[in-house]
Amino acid sequence: SYVVTQPPSMSEAPGKTARIPCGGNNIGGKSVHWYQQKPGQAPVVVIYYDSDRPPGIPERFSGSNSGNTATLTISRVEAGDEADYYCQVWDSNNDQYVFGPGTRVTVL
Amino acid sequence: QVQLVQSGAEVKKPGASVKLSCKASGYTFINYYIHWVRQAPGQGLEWMGIINPKADRTTYAQNLQGRVIMTRDTSTSTVYMDLNTLRFEDTAVYYCARGPPGAAKAFDVWGQGTMVAVSS
Repeated sequence: SYVVTQPPSMSEAPGKTARIPCGGNNIGGKSVHWYQQKPGQAPVVVIYYDSDRPPGIPERFSGSNSGNTATLTISRVEAGDEADYYCQVWDSNNDQYVFGPGTRVTVL
Repeated sequence: QVQLVQSGAEVKKPGASVKLSCKASGYTFINYYIHWVRQAPGQGLEWMGIINPKADRTTYAQNLQGRVIMTRDTSTSTVYMDLNTLRFEDTAVYYCARGPPGAAKAFDVWGQGTMVAVSS
């Protein structure tokens, strides 16, 4: 089965840029979606198809995907961005959806 | 507005079964797939499977094959997820989520989640 990796945690100061990596074998050849989950809430998609942003998601959220790493970038980090972030792909070989283990972002 | 409303919390004993529901509203039910995703306490998201309400086709996570069944009732726009032979490690919040038809799509609307506790 396809394996996706993420760092368990990262922290960033307000106003700075957070870059959250999502690793996988040739993940650049897959469509990557990103979800934000705050404590006690259901996940919300913040980026889909690598870099598209749903309505209502701030432009500060962007995504890229190439080679073996997809990246969610949060520019001008705010206290409200503190959450767990999960990347997700479809494993076409096994017809299974796969989530990364998640990255907890702390705003200092 | 588009909504997925899930059934209430459950407490079950090991070996029992649980059946959760997910009622859709605000869109044409058969035009979107429904996924089930669970999250054990303090853990990450785990995809459990998908049902295509129009074709009544399902695909399940490999590690849950044989224990999970997903069904739908088009007359009430409701999807059900049945998990049997419950184990302590099935304790989790269970979410249903909507996905556009076709593979590799993002889950754009989520239910509020249902807590299932497996306890003796």
